[in-house]
Amino acid sequence: DGGITQSPKYLFRKEGQNVTLSCEQNLNHDAMYWYRQDPGQGLRLIYYSQIVNDFQKGDIAEGYSVSREKKESFPLTVTSAQKNPTAFYLCASRGGISYNEQFFGPGTRLTVL
Amino acid sequence: AQSVTQPDIHITVSEGASLELRCNYSYGATPYLFWYVQSPGQGLQLLLKYFSGDTLVQGIKGFEAEFKRSQSSFNLRKPSVHWSDAAEYFCAVGAPPGTASKLTFGTGTRLQVTL
Repeated sequence: DGGITQSPKYLFRKEGQNVTLSCEQNLNHDAMYWYRQDPGQGLRLIYYSQIVNDFQKGDIAEGYSVSREKKESFPLTVTSAQKNPTAFYLCASRGGISYNEQFFGPGTRLTVL
Repeated sequence: AQSVTQPDIHITVSEGASLELRCNYSYGATPYLFWYVQSPGQGLQLLLKYFSGDTLVQGIKGFEAEFKRSQSSFNLRKPSVHWSDAAEYFCAVGAPPGTASKLTFGTGTRLQVTL
C-alpha cells in the first residue's frame, strides 16, 4: 500500500542532544513537508521541499535542519538550538502540480527530558 | 498573507444531531480550501477539498462543506453525527497548484460527541 511512514512513533531525548526524525513516502510525490503541532496552535510549517536536493524554510525553521537526498525520504533533525523541541511532528507529501492536497504520515511525538 | 480562522475551539454535540464547524479564510485570489480530521495521536486525514466549480462539496464519512466567497467562509457540515466523529478538525487554505503549494492551517476545532 502507498503511504507515508514516520518513525519512531515516540521518541525521548535528553536536553542538548540532536535527534533525527524519519519520514519516508512511496507515493512518488515530489513535494514533502514537515510540520510541528502544539496544543491549541494548529500546524506550523518547519521546512518543505519541492524537489530532490532542494528545500526551503517554513515559518518556524530555527533550530531545525533537513535534507532531501532521495525523492522518498525527507528526514528532520531537531538540533540542540531548538528552544522548546517537545511536540508532535507531522510529515506530509503532495503529488503532481495538478493537485494541491497534502497527505500526512502518522506523526512522531518527541519528548525532550 | 493567507490565514485561516476557526472560531470554535471546542464543540460538543449529541449523537444524531447536526454539526456545523466554522472556517473563515483570508486569501488574495481564488483559494484552494481543505478540511482535515485528526484522531488523537494520529496524522491528518483529508475529508474534502474545494478548488473550483460547485460551491457545495461532498467528502468522506458523510461530511460536506460550502464555499461562500462573499463571506470568506468554508463551513463543514454533517446532518447526523456519530460517536466515531469525535476528533479534531482542521481547515486549511492553499495557493494554486504549480506554486510552492504551502497550506496554512487553522488552530482546529475539537469535537466531542455525547451519547
